[in-house]
Amino acid sequence: RKEVEQDPGPFNVPEGATVAFNCTYSNSASQSFFWYRQDCRKEPKLLMSVYSSGNEDGRFTAQLNRASQYISLLIRDSKLSDSATYLCVVKYSGNTPLVFGKGTRLSVIA
Amino acid sequence: GAGVSQSPRYKVAKRGQDVALRCDPISGHVSLFWYQQALGQGPEFLTYFQNEAQLDKSGLPSDRFFAERPEGSVSTLKIQRTQQEDSAVYLCASSSIPGQGETQYFGPGTRLLVL
Repeated sequence: RKEVEQDPGPFNVPEGATVAFNCTYSNSASQSFFWYRQDCRKEPKLLMSVYSSGNEDGRFTAQLNRASQYISLLIRDSKLSDSATYLCVVKYSGNTPLVFGKGTRLSVIA
Repeated sequence: GAGVSQSPRYKVAKRGQDVALRCDPISGHVSLFWYQQALGQGPEFLTYFQNEAQLDKSGLPSDRFFAERPEGSVSTLKIQRTQQEDSAVYLCASSSIPGQGETQYFGPGTRLLVL
């Protein structure tokens, strides 16, 4: 079983729609959580960190549920430019590597 | 300023050939990471350097993979006797912060195809 699991999609949504992605992680020792964005044939870039209390950055909202070991990303009012792969990332405590999920592909359609 | 650069951007190798992939991190960044990203997968950690010291190589898949950063700046990932399963994008990332934190700046990657 992969440490970080995501639905690969693709999620095809119209412009203006709200879309949500979930991610589950298997290791309860995971301490830090992030969403990265990766455009087609480009490098990953940090989108946002995920805090226990939930956090928002413009149209993006991230939530963490430690009891159920899942993380979510909600995108409101989708734009064509949101089309990308969204990578769920977890990190254990200490000097340990980032662990990436496979990513969820989003296509926003005009 | 300049970001992380990698060369070559594309490499085609015959099975059994040795390859060397180069990473130029952002100037002054102490931490450097290598990842392997197979098609349809997320990046998988290979190794981490703090300055010239290789502090974590737990992700290297076999002893055919070797990485170095002799002067604490440029790094080279070498793959000996390449196999078809080595075909992937090899991503380098760097960070100004010591340790394996989340703020890593990725390069564009080297796309390796082993025939």
